Amino acid sequence: QQQVKQSPQSLIVQKGGISIINCAYENTAFDYFPWYQQFPGKGPALLIAIRPDVSEKKEGRFTISFNKSAKQFSLHIMDSQPGDSATYFCAASMDYRDDKIIFGKGTRLHILP
Amino acid sequence: DTEVTQTPKHLVMGMTNKKSLKCEQHMGHRAMYWYKQKAKKPPELMFVYSYEKLSINESVPSRFSPECPNSSLLNLHLHALQPEDSALYLCASSQVGRSGNTEAFFGQGTRLTVV
Repeated sequence: QQQVKQSPQSLIVQKGGISIINCAYENTAFDYFPWYQQFPGKGPALLIAIRPDVSEKKEGRFTISFNKSAKQFSLHIMDSQPGDSATYFCAASMDYRDDKIIFGKGTRLHILP
Repeated sequence: DTEVTQTPKHLVMGMTNKKSLKCEQHMGHRAMYWYKQKAKKPPELMFVYSYEKLSINESVPSRFSPECPNSSLLNLHLHALQPEDSALYLCASSQVGRSGNTEAFFGQGTRLTVV
């Protein structure tokens, strides 16, 4: 119930291509879904986040698509660049219950130059 | 200022040593967290402090002892650690309850090696 399942584990995309990472959850009490980007040796940094009352959120080249009925959400990186090479974690939390953030297992993204 | 500052950046300690990790934020956040992250794994929650009170302890061994002296500071006291405790220790902060569009900010972490 507390899990967030993330796929794929690793992803290689050509420069300029679209990177897609998928996540699924079980607990319908989750109401906040952030994506974090982490470079080696650094802490995770919030990339973009969405709430379940919205089906899509776009910030620059990054878009979250959210399907509440399927309990799935995904990150799309358009025009992927070598600088996007990092590990991406989807996450979920219950804002009004406690302050836990439940992370997916992560996706190591490599953009080929 | 949206920074969470952690010191030291790197720490090597023996199994009999006592050391402390420090974390500081000046964003007015009243929730502060310690996470442990092993290589190629997601961060694992250890402790949450809410309004300077320990609100979540994820069954962490007693050799890890958190402390929140005030609303800006968070410490993690380490004693008699094991080599398997070697990891990146991350501090984070957020508004309590994180209502609205708030986020958790992470520090750069302390890379801990236990020898």
